[in-house]
Amino acid sequence: AQKVTQAQTEISVVEKEDVTLDCVYETRDTTYYLFWYKQPPSGELVFLIRRNSFDEQNEISGRYSWNFQKSTSSFNFTITASQVVDSAVYFCALSGLFGNEKLTFGTGTRLTIIP
Amino acid sequence: DTGVSQDPRHKITKRGQNVTFRCDPISEHNRLYWYRQTLGQGPEFLTYFQNEAQLEKSRLLSDRFSAERPKGSFSTLEIQRTEQGDSAMYLCASSLVSSGDYNEQFFGPGTRLTVL
Repeated sequence: AQKVTQAQTEISVVEKEDVTLDCVYETRDTTYYLFWYKQPPSGELVFLIRRNSFDEQNEISGRYSWNFQKSTSSFNFTITASQVVDSAVYFCALSGLFGNEKLTFGTGTRLTIIP
Repeated sequence: DTGVSQDPRHKITKRGQNVTFRCDPISEHNRLYWYRQTLGQGPEFLTYFQNEAQLEKSRLLSDRFSAERPKGSFSTLEIQRTEQGDSAMYLCASSLVSSGDYNEQFFGPGTRLTVL
């Protein structure tokens, strides 16, 4: 069975601060994918990143960066110099391959950026 | 380039009534997924289609739920004899999956169901 844990239910930071969202996962698959999605107040899930289990390189995209550590089964997400528009619920998700591509989501972290 | 669309966006119904939701995926996508999201939770998988074939159904999908994708394009999700516990956001997603390649799922705006 697959499981994703996002222990932080809610986080509030002041604008321009950096913030890290934690994600820990469990899977028996040797090959899998990890994802982060953003759900703004409008409700639509927005894809942010996909990471293959074979690729442990960290990735940076503008103010966003992701730290994948297979040894600790974690896939953390950092927003640098946060902005009010970053306020949303962020979900970490996990999927397998070869017919097991359904997503298993965590319970989400609600991020509020205070102006 | 249009994304995933869902209709209706909101549905209010009385307990015991039947409801049907529609999802139109991104046109070239062969996979279509249905998820359900309740308040304060992440989406939970319900079922998925590869073209017109329904390949997996979650235990969450009771006998009152049925999904179809008759021509491998749009899909419908029907709930019969609705119960208050069915109140949730129903999300549709699509992706393109081919041999040796994997692509992320793109989600529609969802249909919010309220059962009174």
